[in-house]
Amino acid sequence: GAVVSQHPSRVICKSGTSVKIECRSLDFQATTMFWYRQFPKKSLMLMATSNEGSKATYEQGVEKDKFLINHASLTLSTLTVTSAHPEDSSFYICSASGRAGKDTQYFGPGTRLTVL
Amino acid sequence: EDKVVQSPLSLVVHEGDTVTLNCSYEVTNFRSLLWYKQEKKAPTFLFMLTSSGIEKKSGRLSSILDKKELFSILNITATQTGDSAVYLCAVVSAGNMLTFGGGTRLMVKP
Repeated sequence: GAVVSQHPSRVICKSGTSVKIECRSLDFQATTMFWYRQFPKKSLMLMATSNEGSKATYEQGVEKDKFLINHASLTLSTLTVTSAHPEDSSFYICSASGRAGKDTQYFGPGTRLTVL
Repeated sequence: EDKVVQSPLSLVVHEGDTVTLNCSYEVTNFRSLLWYKQEKKAPTFLFMLTSSGIEKKSGRLSSILDKKELFSILNITATQTGDSAVYLCAVVSAGNMLTFGGGTRLMVKP
């Protein structure tokens, strides 16, 4: 099956700094990538949907200036958490899909962010 | 390398049928196994399994884990059209790292 990687797998940063998380589709072209945040009870919240070459579509309640998403190529999307605060500490998961999101989503392994 | 494989890839049944979805895994430092239902947007959490042989049940859905044989099944009885979705299995390993399977796409016809 298709492989999606995320980097870094875990990151610890100080409050006020920015952190960039990369999501790569290793063996297919991902026209659409999704960014999720996992909450303590294992539920996943969709944060935004990004299509290659265009601006991301953010879900209601997600601050676009805080969570910057860039999908510059068909194999790479990045999520930058700007001016991170302790409440941003979470597990961030990306998934990637071909054919404008109509195909199966392949999930990455997630990135654990801890903001001190 | 951690691996999670779901089968079948897709399934078409009629309302009232019972389905069994499979998830097998090979991971180091297994912690737990999660089942999700994905319809349109974010996957909805269904079950978390950590112990072998203990069935978790929620309405018409149930799931069980076999840590010796390294698999889990998700059963849906008396299926309804609203059960149509992609069902995802994910395994949590040490450090809370997640490995997702490719999903099973279930379609329930009236």
